[in-house]
Amino acid sequence: GAVVSQHPSWVICKSGTSVKIECRSLDFQATTMFWYRQFPKQSLMLMATSNEGSKATYEQGVEKDKFLINHASLTLSTLTVTSAHPEDSSFYICSADEDHTEQFFGPGTRLTVL
Amino acid sequence: KQEVTQIPAALSVPEGENLVLNCSFTDSAIYNLQWFRQDPGKGLTSLLLIQSSQREQTSGRLNASLDKSSGRSTLYIAASQPGDSATYLCAVRPFTGGGNKLTFGTGTQLKVEL
Repeated sequence: GAVVSQHPSWVICKSGTSVKIECRSLDFQATTMFWYRQFPKQSLMLMATSNEGSKATYEQGVEKDKFLINHASLTLSTLTVTSAHPEDSSFYICSADEDHTEQFFGPGTRLTVL
Repeated sequence: KQEVTQIPAALSVPEGENLVLNCSFTDSAIYNLQWFRQDPGKGLTSLLLIQSSQREQTSGRLNASLDKSSGRSTLYIAASQPGDSATYLCAVRPFTGGGNKLTFGTGTQLKVEL
C-alpha cells in the first residue's frame, strides 16, 4: 500500500528558532501533498495544499510567511515553521495523493516550542 | 462551507458490544466519504472509503454506510474489542472544486473496556 513518512516524529525547539518537517511518499509519486495541524483533542485542520514545482495554496487564516512549504519533488514536501513560538506547538500531519482519488497520511510530527 | 459533525464526541462501552458512530455533513455534493482511526499521538489509519455512488462498505468487523441525500454516514463496529479504543474521524471530499481537499469531522473518542 501507499506509504507516507514524516521526519522528525517529534521535535523540541526554543522560541524564535525555525523548524523543518519533511514529508515523503515512499512508494508512489505524489501529485499533491497536504499539510494539517491538529491541536489536542481536536480534529485536523488543513493548512495548505502543495503541488510539485508550484507555490502552495494556503487556507484562510494560515500565515504563509510563517509556515513555509516547499514541494521540490514528486516525493518530498517540507514545512518550515519560522520563528516558532509556543502557540505553534501542535501535531503536524502531512498527506499525499497520487491520482486525486485518496489521500495517504503520514504518522505526524509533534512540535513543542519552549 | 462544508461542516462535518460527529456524534457522540466520546463513547465508552464494555467489550463485545456492537456500536454505531455517526457522521453528518451539511453539503451533500460529495465525491466520497472516508472513515479513519487515530491512536493517541499517531497519524491516521484509513478504515473505509465510500464513493458517493455507494451505499456501504465493509471490512472485517467494520461496516460503513452512506446516505448522501440526508448528509449522514454511520460506522458500525461489531463485537467491539479493547484494541478498538481510539479516536474515529470521518472526512468528506467535495464533488466539484477544492481538488482533493478533505473536511474532517470533530471525531468520536471510543473506549472499549474489559
